[in-house]
Amino acid sequence: AQTVTQSQPEMSVQEAETVTLSCTYDTSESDYYLFWYKQPPSRQMILVIRQEAYKQQNATENRFSVNFQKAAKSFSLKISDSQLGDAAMYFCAYRRGFSGNTPLVFGKGTRLSVIA
Amino acid sequence: NAGVMQNPRHLVRRRGQEARLRCSPMKGHSHVYWYRQLPEEGLKFMVYLQKENIIDESGMPKERFSAEFPKEGPSILRIQQVVRGDSAAYFCASSPGGERETQYFGPGTRLLVL
Repeated sequence: AQTVTQSQPEMSVQEAETVTLSCTYDTSESDYYLFWYKQPPSRQMILVIRQEAYKQQNATENRFSVNFQKAAKSFSLKISDSQLGDAAMYFCAYRRGFSGNTPLVFGKGTRLSVIA
Repeated sequence: NAGVMQNPRHLVRRRGQEARLRCSPMKGHSHVYWYRQLPEEGLKFMVYLQKENIIDESGMPKERFSAEFPKEGPSILRIQQVVRGDSAAYFCASSPGGERETQYFGPGTRLLVL
């Protein structure tokens, strides 16, 4: 079974600084998708960024970028120029490909605090 | 285009009662997933449905839990004879189908069992 591990239960960053959240996963599949979701205090799950395993180029979305290391099964999220609104729980998630629609497998999350 | 809708947002039940959670997917989406989030945990998959069909229920407890997605109307997650351990946030996600499609989440239903 696939597993997703987030080894940092909590992280903090100074406003305007950069922070990196770690995620590793375990799978024997070659085709899959990786995601970072943000869950603010409202508890709504918001998609931050998505990466297809077959793409070598790291995904970016404005201040958010990933470092996807397929051989190491690592998928870290970098948040640049951190803002107070970035404070939230961040979940890394994996989804198997090749077999149609499949459910997401989530890590336990990292709670990010942003210090003004 | 409205997002995924869930209701109620908060639900309080006493032990032994039934809980019904509703999910209306985004317009054009025919695939629905239900996930459960226990306190301080990540989301765990429960069940995946398409219109009128359960595709994968491997994450759903065999007893007391059921799910449906009728031809017309929202998807329903039903929990019979609730126990305190059922207290959690229940999230619904939808996608239009297709392997490469992203799942979009609703705001969740917080179930509290007294």
